[in-house]
Amino acid sequence: KAGVTQTPRYLIKTRGQQVTLSCSPISGHRSVSWYQQTPGQGLQFLFEYFSETQRNKGNFPGRFSGRQFSNSRSEMNVSTLELGDSALYLCASSGRDATDTQYFGPGTRLTVL
Amino acid sequence: QKEVEQNSGPLSVPEGAIASLNCTYSDRVSQSFFWYRQYSGKSPELIMSIYSNGDKEDGRFTAQLNKASQYVSLLIRDSQPSDSATYLCAVNRNNFNKFYFGSGTKLNVKP
Repeated sequence: KAGVTQTPRYLIKTRGQQVTLSCSPISGHRSVSWYQQTPGQGLQFLFEYFSETQRNKGNFPGRFSGRQFSNSRSEMNVSTLELGDSALYLCASSGRDATDTQYFGPGTRLTVL
Repeated sequence: QKEVEQNSGPLSVPEGAIASLNCTYSDRVSQSFFWYRQYSGKSPELIMSIYSNGDKEDGRFTAQLNKASQYVSLLIRDSQPSDSATYLCAVNRNNFNKFYFGSGTKLNVKP
């Protein structure tokens, strides 16, 4: 079974630009969660989608948004990039139940200059 | 109070020793508990999950859960230098896949 895939793996952007990251979950998984990881803050939950609906949301500004398509693939968008948005963005997929394990993709390393 | 708390370390143990990693969580309704290992520059990979009180063993790893005391631990027996990584504790409450992660404990296994 293929794992979670994320594209692109690396991105360099400048302040004020916007960026879109993509995540394809494990086949059969319908839940996709997004996290931001920085050295100082650790893993911070962004949002979670299930069947194209956002079910959970973390404490991030509205510049961070996401969506999920009918095939469970998900995208997240960051508008008006700031230097502090430089981070590793991780996507994780899981099944439906609260006990289901999350499996992480390799991440997208975003650098904002 | 953070949802999940871990000692950031680093925890240093000699090769062959037992490494003990601890995690406490704040919400009593938490249902499922996970340990992830993350090497520098890589994404977290699942080591173990545990859902019931007691011990769960998988190879050199043993997870321990005590819901009354709200703590989860991970024991690594016969520690190897390749175990050197950051270990993340994660907790899932019963509200649809909202996982809470600790800040991680950095483990150094010295040859």
